[in-house]
Amino acid sequence: QSALTQPPSASGAPGQSVTISCTGSSSDIGAYIYVSWYQQRPGNAPALIIYEFNKRPSGVPDRFSGSRSGNTATLTVSGLQAEDEADYYCSSFAGSHTLVFGGGTTLTVL
Amino acid sequence: QLQLKETGPGLVKPSQTLSLTCTVSGVSIRRGDYSWSWVRQPPTKGLEWIGFIYYGGNTFYNPSLNSRVTMSIERSKNQISLTLTSVTVADTAVYFCARVGSSSTYYYYSLDVWGQGTTVTVSS
Repeated sequence: QSALTQPPSASGAPGQSVTISCTGSSSDIGAYIYVSWYQQRPGNAPALIIYEFNKRPSGVPDRFSGSRSGNTATLTVSGLQAEDEADYYCSSFAGSHTLVFGGGTTLTVL
Repeated sequence: QLQLKETGPGLVKPSQTLSLTCTVSGVSIRRGDYSWSWVRQPPTKGLEWIGFIYYGGNTFYNPSLNSRVTMSIERSKNQISLTLTSVTVADTAVYFCARVGSSSTYYYYSLDVWGQGTTVTVSS
């Protein structure tokens, strides 16, 4: 069970769009729809923003969207706002009732 | 509204056993078919999944921790517990409990409600 691969950092100016990738394998992202994304602001617990790779929980702005292609999932944040500055983590079901996280990406709003 | 709160000793000596509790409020574990997970985050590092405990009591753990971890549900106390044996400095982390998101028929394998976390330091 290997961690999913995310870029350590991403950035964009207010109003722009930013994408964050999450690369796994045919045993996790490539095999299951159960890909999630979490936002974690400093000092806070993670908060779910995407589940089943493209669904948003109630209350999450539609500026956040997810997609999946092959073994890679992508989080897109459109219309960047200062409040979007945070760490973002992906996760995927990896079979046999196990879960794997990505290493996290720090998003900076310039 | 469902809320989770983790509690623990704060400081544990190497080789000892770590015991944490997650208290659920706002719903009764007895009445709901909820399933739960523990996740930890070492200082300045990313998230690491520890395990699942399903509402029926079945447990599944991260293979890297499997031999040292035990999760259980205390329905009468509305609590979920985590025990980690033979701790080392590498187990120093913030420990979170979370609910596993689900519909009435299947799990989303997302963690949709999180506690605030409790910090555990392993040091002599």
